Amino acid sequence: AQSVTQLGSHVSVSEGALVLLRCNYSSSVPPYLFWYVQYPNQGLQLLLKYTSAATLVKGINGFEAEFKKSETSFHLTKPSAHMSDAAEYFCAVSGNNAGNMLTFGGGTRLMVKP
Amino acid sequence: NAGVTQTPKFQVLKTGQSMTLQCAQDMNHEYMSWYRQDPGMGLRLIHYSVGAGITDQGEVPNGYNVSRSTTEDFPLRLLSAAPSQTSVYFCASRMKSGNQNTGELFFGEGSRLTVL
Repeated sequence: AQSVTQLGSHVSVSEGALVLLRCNYSSSVPPYLFWYVQYPNQGLQLLLKYTSAATLVKGINGFEAEFKKSETSFHLTKPSAHMSDAAEYFCAVSGNNAGNMLTFGGGTRLMVKP
Repeated sequence: NAGVTQTPKFQVLKTGQSMTLQCAQDMNHEYMSWYRQDPGMGLRLIHYSVGAGITDQGEVPNGYNVSRSTTEDFPLRLLSAAPSQTSVYFCASRMKSGNQNTGELFFGEGSRLTVL
């Protein structure tokens, strides 16, 4: 079965600092990987996805993630944090059931200090 | 652009009561699913459907029932509510896209359920 581990349930950065949110996955087949963002009292919104094309994936709002098979990682980064980036971020891997539904990590809440 | 619509947004139940969370999508998506979100546990799959008349269990199906009579609707039924079912519930849908899940999941805004 697929699984996802997000290291750090809470991450705090200063405005303008590098954002690094960690995600490691386990998969018995080549994975498809996703990052979603959730703003307060809202549903989840896709940030970016890896689907076996380029290993460096660019998403919305200046975020990007790099797929590293040797490390089974898909960490999310942004060079310079903005106050509006404060939200909860979820890493997900495609499942191995018939519908290939997503398996999510526990989430990382990003706080941005002025 | 309605997308995925969930109702109600908030609900308080007493232990043992039953209720149905409604989910409707207007994007003609084949796949629909229900997740529950609990602090520190991310989203866990309850049930899913790959088309009208086809449903299957996810990771945490106990205490929940689903049906898919139309492409648009995928209601989630709580048969006898328990305090452990206090959670935020999300409905999500996506297009069928080959054998692997390369498609984006579209989420509703969530239904917050409290069971006393």
